[in-house]
Amino acid sequence: EAQVTQNPRYLITVTGKKLTVTCSQNMNHEYMSWYRQDPGLGLRQIYYSMNVEVTDKGDVPEGYKVSRKEKRNFPLILESPSPNQTSLYFCASSWGGGSTGELFFGEGSRLTVL
Amino acid sequence: ELKVEQNPLFLSMQEGKNYTIYCNYSTTSDRLYWYRQDPGKSLESLFVLLSNGAVKQEGRLMASLDTKARLSTLHITAAVHDLSATYFCAVDIAGNQFYFGTGTSLTVIP
Repeated sequence: EAQVTQNPRYLITVTGKKLTVTCSQNMNHEYMSWYRQDPGLGLRQIYYSMNVEVTDKGDVPEGYKVSRKEKRNFPLILESPSPNQTSLYFCASSWGGGSTGELFFGEGSRLTVL
Repeated sequence: ELKVEQNPLFLSMQEGKNYTIYCNYSTTSDRLYWYRQDPGKSLESLFVLLSNGAVKQEGRLMASLDTKARLSTLHITAAVHDLSATYFCAVDIAGNQFYFGTGTSLTVIP
């Protein structure tokens, strides 16, 4: 089954404790991206990757890091989480290149930073 | 910075009625997307509109795109309860930077 898998789905952590949210897709997509969803703000793009070893900032990259060492994986790293990073996070992928750009989303990861 | 505005933000409508959700965006983009999100769930792609004048229909939903007016509409015909969800429009810049509207929460009342 074609899917984008995120882990963990739910996480409660404390300020300053580094964490990683993993994202993996099995569709051989070139493009992957991360979003955060907050009430009243819709989805905002954090980082995206056009291909392996190619990443770039989205609209709200502060406080986040990413890496793309393999085509299928695109982890989101919070080096020192703060309470304002409490949010619902989505990973998404698409074919990229000259494709339609239609995004396929993971199930989401709800993060609470105390 | 590209802005994407949806109207209305909240919509409560009776079954069988018609309504339109509007999506305005602030800069040039030839591609517009509509997604649906059920409560507590992920986003599901509904429509991809790739050019000016594009119109797509699926069941009771029809989406259109006017790139000159920077406007897309999502028209709901004869609403049913199963359409209750939050609908997002999104545009992209060069196929990599995506900007989403704030969403329209639709409730269809029996």
